[in-house]
Parts: sequence; C-alpha cells; structure tokens
Amino acid sequence: DTAVSQTPKYLVTQMGNDKSIKCEQNLGHDTMYWYKQDSKKFLKIMFSYNNKELIINETVPNRFSPKSPDKAHLNLHINSLELGDSAVYFCASSHLGTGANTGELFFGEGSRLTVL
Amino acid sequence: GQQLNQSPQSMFIQEGEDVSMNCTSSSIFNTWLWYKQDPGEGPVLLIALYKAGELTSNGRLTAQFGITRKDSFLNISASIPSDVGIYFCAGHSTGANSKLTFGKGITLSVRP
Repeated sequence: DTAVSQTPKYLVTQMGNDKSIKCEQNLGHDTMYWYKQDSKKFLKIMFSYNNKELIINETVPNRFSPKSPDKAHLNLHINSLELGDSAVYFCASSHLGTGANTGELFFGEGSRLTVL
Repeated sequence: GQQLNQSPQSMFIQEGEDVSMNCTSSSIFNTWLWYKQDPGEGPVLLIALYKAGELTSNGRLTAQFGITRKDSFLNISASIPSDVGIYFCAGHSTGANSKLTFGKGITLSVRP
C-alpha cells in the first residue's frame, strides 16, 4: 500500500490552462504539505494544512490554491499555468503530535508538471 | 529567511569509500534531519536528530547534531552503488509557523 500517493505522476499542458494534482495519505497523519522542486532540485515549501486548516502559506502566486476536503487529502489546483510553473510537485504528510512537529515527513513520488 | 548551506553540489566517490557531508545554517534549529532522494522518487527520511550533540547511526549512516545547533554532518561508510542519489539536510524549528527548511542537496555518485 502506498503511504502518500499523488496523481497524476506526469502532466503536460499548455500555458494558460488550469490543472489539478491530487494527494492522499493513508498514514493517519494530521498534517499535509505541498513542496515544489525546481530544475536545480531545490525543495521549497508551498503550503501546509493541519486537520484541514491552512497553517503555512509561503509566498506563492494566488493562481495556486490548495484544498483539503479532509485530513487525508490535500489537492493543489493551479490556474492560468505559466512556463515557470514547470517543476516536480511533492505532497508530504506528517504527524504534528503532542505539541512538536518534528519535521519527519513522508513524501509522495512527485508529480512532474511540464507547461509548454 | 532561514537558509541551510550544503556544499559541494556534487560528490564523486569510489565504491567502498567513506564520504562525509556537512550542513550549516545561520539559524538555530531544534531538529536536524537528513533525507535521500532517488531518481524519480520523493525524498525519504534517513536520520532525525533531536538534541544538540546527538550522534545517531542507521546502518552505514552516522549523523550528528552540532553543539551550536547550527550544523549537522552525515557520514556514509563503505559506500555501495545504491547510495547514489541526492542527500538533503533539513532543519526544523518549533513555535509559530514552524516548518522544515531544506538545504539545496548534494548529488552523490558512486563509481563501481
């Protein structure tokens, strides 16, 4: 069983389109994240949700809108895609625990987005 | 913002050799972690360190949480071909807006 699963794994689309990436975790974690990995492999956090509530929202264009229908799912919708949005997007989850988020994240396999 | 420094960007070693990677920060972290990313996969946690000065091993891997809480190192002993990948250090701070900050990663190549 895959712990953190993302779909689709690959996404090729035209500039200006709207697309979504879905993420689900079956680990019973209460916190989920979206990270963006650029061509230089740098991992940068975009959003974090704890129990469906947004807790981290980095400087990300408002064309990116996360949605968490329940604590096992965190989807990412991107409007008006631009060339610079091409990257690998990773979903991750963790357990916030009793007062301390230790940073132990479980990552999905990534969704490679290519904008033409 | 918080930044973690990892260098060099790439390392090339011979199978069987030991290798050491450092990570430094201008900020103090409460937790230091090391992740490995294989090609086409997401990062996987290798070792987590929770106390300054802590030295932890996981098989051929050994990592230490620096006394100043601003650095960590990872050692891989007797490298094997499957050690190839990108090694990321990460620091975690607690409190308001706590989050995990990643270094830029070191790509390790192992020659058979």
